[in-house]
Amino acid sequence: GNSVTQMEGPVTLSEEAFLTINCTYTATGYPSLFWYVQYPGEGLQLLLKATKADDKGSNKGFEATYRKETTSFHLEKGSVQVSDSAVYFCALSAPYAGGTSYGKLTFGQGTILTVHP
Amino acid sequence: DAGVIQSPRHEVTEMGQEVTLRCKPISGHNSLFWYRQTMMRGLELLIYFNNNVPIDDSGMPEDRFSAKMPNASFSTLKIQPSEPRDSAVYFCASSRSTRLDEQYFGPGTRLTVT
Repeated sequence: GNSVTQMEGPVTLSEEAFLTINCTYTATGYPSLFWYVQYPGEGLQLLLKATKADDKGSNKGFEATYRKETTSFHLEKGSVQVSDSAVYFCALSAPYAGGTSYGKLTFGQGTILTVHP
Repeated sequence: DAGVIQSPRHEVTEMGQEVTLRCKPISGHNSLFWYRQTMMRGLELLIYFNNNVPIDDSGMPEDRFSAKMPNASFSTLKIQPSEPRDSAVYFCASSRSTRLDEQYFGPGTRLTVT
């Protein structure tokens, strides 16, 4: 079955530090890959996505590249801010193949990021 | 535009009581998802609807849980009877059928069963 593994947290950084959160996946076929972010007390928000190999998703200074050869989708940001403190979820969506699995998101366990001033 | 609306935001109830969680999806979205989030199990998909019809309820933990979507703008998740192990944050999310994997989440309902 499909699965997503994220680096264990929590991750604590100083403002303006470089961020990497690792994510690897197991899936059949060519899934779409996502990063969702959950700010304290809120629901998840789609941060970025990539739908095919070598695609780079980017948003709000965050980037992630779909690496099929390493089955990875690591999240990076060059200079984090205190406002980036949140929980980050890597997720995948199986490609359409009929049945009920299409569109179902499989989430990683989440990585807590805390950024100090 | 209003996002996904959930109510109540917080619910505290005693074991054995019935709990009903409510969700209003984004207008124009015809797919709706119910998730449960706990520290131990992370984020779990309970059920999802497409055009008000339940498509996959394999994540519903047991018969104490039921979900309905009587129309395109309203869904409920009911737990009867509730148990302490049901304590969690329950999220509702919606999407367009053509973009099932781009889901918009509500703020969640934090349920505590004592």
